[in-house]
Amino acid sequence: GAVVSQHPSWVICKSGTSVKIECRSLDFQATTMFWYRQFPKQSLMLMATSNEGSKATYEQGVEKDKFLINHASLTLSTLTVTSAHPEDSSFYICSASGGTTEAFFGQGTRLTVV
Amino acid sequence: GQNIDQPTEMTATEGAIVQINCTYQTSGFNGLFWYQQHAGEAPTFLSYNVLDGLEEKGRFSSFLSRSKGYSYLLLKELQMKDSASYLCAVRPLGQGGKLIFGQGTELSVKP
Repeated sequence: GAVVSQHPSWVICKSGTSVKIECRSLDFQATTMFWYRQFPKQSLMLMATSNEGSKATYEQGVEKDKFLINHASLTLSTLTVTSAHPEDSSFYICSASGGTTEAFFGQGTRLTVV
Repeated sequence: GQNIDQPTEMTATEGAIVQINCTYQTSGFNGLFWYQQHAGEAPTFLSYNVLDGLEEKGRFSSFLSRSKGYSYLLLKELQMKDSASYLCAVRPLGQGGKLIFGQGTELSVKP
């Protein structure tokens, strides 16, 4: 299957700082990328959908000014958590779709805000 | 809106068969996925159903009934490594590759 690389795998940051997470499709062009958040013992919750070259569509309850998403190319989308707080600590996962049936997941990023 | 239900946890014995059920209610339906997720890792794709019936892939099979809003994942010849969370996800109609996930079923395989 197609490969999606997410970086970093884990990050620890201080409260109030910003963190950028990258999601790259390595061997296909991702017209759409999805960003999910998963708290312990819970399922994946979709945060936003991004299409290359256009603004992201955020799910209800997700602050677009706090979670900045950029999808500037067909192989890269970034999620920036701005002014992070301890409650933002979570597992963030991206998935990428090239228009086929399946969307492929990155390996996830464990964010811990201290 | 969408609503997806699956049991929170299940326990089964190594070598046995286990069936994980998933019921869903969606405003539009364009396929149902099953994923396996080990703790601290990203989900891995197991199966996809868009038409009614059974899809078999090795030790894993998935069934779909669209009229009943029901699917199940069947795991045969259980192995210890099958202990994981199994996620049912529905793709709404007309929303590209967006997936709505159920809460996941934590499966424990005992010797």
